[in-house]
Amino acid sequence: SQTIHQWPATLVQPVGSPLSLECTVEGTSNPNLYWYRQAAGRGLQLLFYSVGIGQISSEVPQNLSASRPQDRQFILSSKKLLLSDSGFYLCAWSVPGTLKTQYFGPGTRLLVL
Amino acid sequence: AQSVTQLDSHVSVSEGTPVLLRCNYSSSYSPSLFWYVQHPNKGLQLLLKYTSAATLVKGINGFEAEFKKSETSFHLTKPSAHMSDAAEYFCVVSDRRMGGGADGLTFGKGTHLIIQP
Repeated sequence: SQTIHQWPATLVQPVGSPLSLECTVEGTSNPNLYWYRQAAGRGLQLLFYSVGIGQISSEVPQNLSASRPQDRQFILSSKKLLLSDSGFYLCAWSVPGTLKTQYFGPGTRLLVL
Repeated sequence: AQSVTQLDSHVSVSEGTPVLLRCNYSSSYSPSLFWYVQHPNKGLQLLLKYTSAATLVKGINGFEAEFKKSETSFHLTKPSAHMSDAAEYFCVVSDRRMGGGADGLTFGKGTHLIIQP
């Protein structure tokens, strides 16, 4: 069966510090991968998605970047965090194809102070 | 363009009574529709999915939803609420193709379900 991991689970960082959040998927090959952000009391916003190694698409302009160095690894990064980067970050995967279900990881709670 | 409206930000029911969480959508194409549940500080768990097969979809934990194209609705129901159902519920529509074949999901803002003992 497939599983998706995210770490860390919780992170408190000062403004201006770098960020690296990691997501890995097990039990599947060549998944589509997604990064979402969930701000308090709001729905989910898609930040990045990837259909293959090294292929990253950005949905919204922002202070963050993403990379996919391996088939089942997806990393969310920032060089300098802003207060507005605080939120709950969720990674998801889906099987490539039409209208496939996305399966979500446990999330990382980021608080920027 | 696709959009999702969850008509209630909060719903409160007593344990053992029926649950109704309302969702309306707009889509330019034939969409797939999903309901996800999120417990506090957890990821999203898929409850059920509609993909143009049967219009009444049964999910996990006794939940079901009915796709009504004429009403552009996909309301979530459960006959009898349990305390463990207390969570945030998201209605989601997928009909947007992104580059490379990835699927674009549009999320509703969520409905917070409160279960009274």
